[in-house]
Amino acid sequence: GAVVSQHPSWVICKSGTSVKIECRSLDFQATTMFWYRQFPKQSLMLMATSNEGSKATYEQGVEKDKFLINHASLTLSTLTVTSAHPEDSSFYICSARDGGRATETQYFGPGTRLLVL
Amino acid sequence: DAKTTQPTSMDCAEGRAANLPCNHSTISGNEYVYWYRQIHSQGPQYIIHGLKNNETNEMASLIITEDRKSSTLILPHATLRDTAVYYCIVRGALNTGNQFYFGTGTSLTVIP
Repeated sequence: GAVVSQHPSWVICKSGTSVKIECRSLDFQATTMFWYRQFPKQSLMLMATSNEGSKATYEQGVEKDKFLINHASLTLSTLTVTSAHPEDSSFYICSARDGGRATETQYFGPGTRLLVL
Repeated sequence: DAKTTQPTSMDCAEGRAANLPCNHSTISGNEYVYWYRQIHSQGPQYIIHGLKNNETNEMASLIITEDRKSSTLILPHATLRDTAVYYCIVRGALNTGNQFYFGTGTSLTVIP
């Protein structure tokens, strides 16, 4: 149990286009999902916390108008990178908090690799 | 901000126990210690977590010191597939949304 999927697994796009990444909790309901970004040889950096039915909370330094987050259901959150530029190229990872478990463990998706040309 | 300190890298011989230390000297009484690992180009994988008592599951054991200022993750019989970056995380307080802040982790290399 506790499986989180992401789609697509990788994407290549031209500079200036927008890219949407989906994060789904497959076998549990996730009232809270999290989005991370990871550059090569670096650790994961939390970008935002996504709560079902409400606005996302962004970490300091993360542009909310550039990284649009929608958490429309208990099993789906989306991250849209708007007007992507080469510096947005990164590994994007989501996680979902299994609220049904007492200790609220987070489970991570496999990640989406974005390359902006 | 990450609240943990881990060695940058470690080696372990295949079949031997891998002991990965973590310091979390500023941990609060209601904060859990979580361990995840990340194999290259994959999402982090949950390993184990604990509050005060030592914990064991099918993957690993977690030993937490009595003062809770440090812990050790033990992989009892390391295999080549255990080569990964291991992250020790102290979970944020409930009123901050339970965010996980990752430190730099320990890069474990299991040697044949």
